Amino acid sequence: AQTVTQSQPEMSVQEAETVTLSCTYDTSENNYYLFWYKQPPSRQMILVIRQEAYKQQNATENRFSVNFQKAAKSFSLKISDSQLGDTAMYFCAFQNRDDKIIFGKGTRLHILP
Amino acid sequence: NAGVMQNPRHLVRRRGQEARLRCSPMKGHSHVYWYRQLPEEGLKFMVYLQKENIIDESGMPKERFSAEFPKEGPSILRIQQVVRGDSAAYFCASSPLLGQGLPYEQYFGPGTRLTVT
Repeated sequence: AQTVTQSQPEMSVQEAETVTLSCTYDTSENNYYLFWYKQPPSRQMILVIRQEAYKQQNATENRFSVNFQKAAKSFSLKISDSQLGDTAMYFCAFQNRDDKIIFGKGTRLHILP
Repeated sequence: NAGVMQNPRHLVRRRGQEARLRCSPMKGHSHVYWYRQLPEEGLKFMVYLQKENIIDESGMPKERFSAEFPKEGPSILRIQQVVRGDSAAYFCASSPLLGQGLPYEQYFGPGTRLTVT
């Protein structure tokens, strides 16, 4: 069975610092997607970044980038120059051809002024 | 192009009542997924539907829960005889017609928060 593990339940960093959120997953598939979703207090699920497993290049979206290590089944999210608006729950997620998305339990991130 | 719409956004039911949650997918999307988020947890897959077909209901509780996606109208997630443990946020996501190979991106609605008193 596919699983997604986020080992950091909660993190706090100062505004403008860089923070890295960890995620590992388990699958026997070769082709799949990995995601980071942000869930602010409004509870809306916001897609932050997506990585296709067949692409070796790490995805980036402005201040957000990932470190995708396929052999190690690791998919960490780096947030640079963190802002107060980055405060939220962050979920790592996995999707393969079965289409259902499997989510980790989340990391609660606090950006401190 | 409006996003995925869910209503109601908040629903309060007493134990034993029925809850009906609605999801209108994005225009042109023919696939709908329902996920449940218990307090302090990640989202968990419940069911995957196409128009008039249930494709995968492996995440649905065997009793009291049902889902449909009729030819016309929104997808409905129905919970009969609700209990306190059903209190959660229920999210719907939609995706366009699938092709070969990798899956298509799912677009999430804002969720319905169900509270059972």
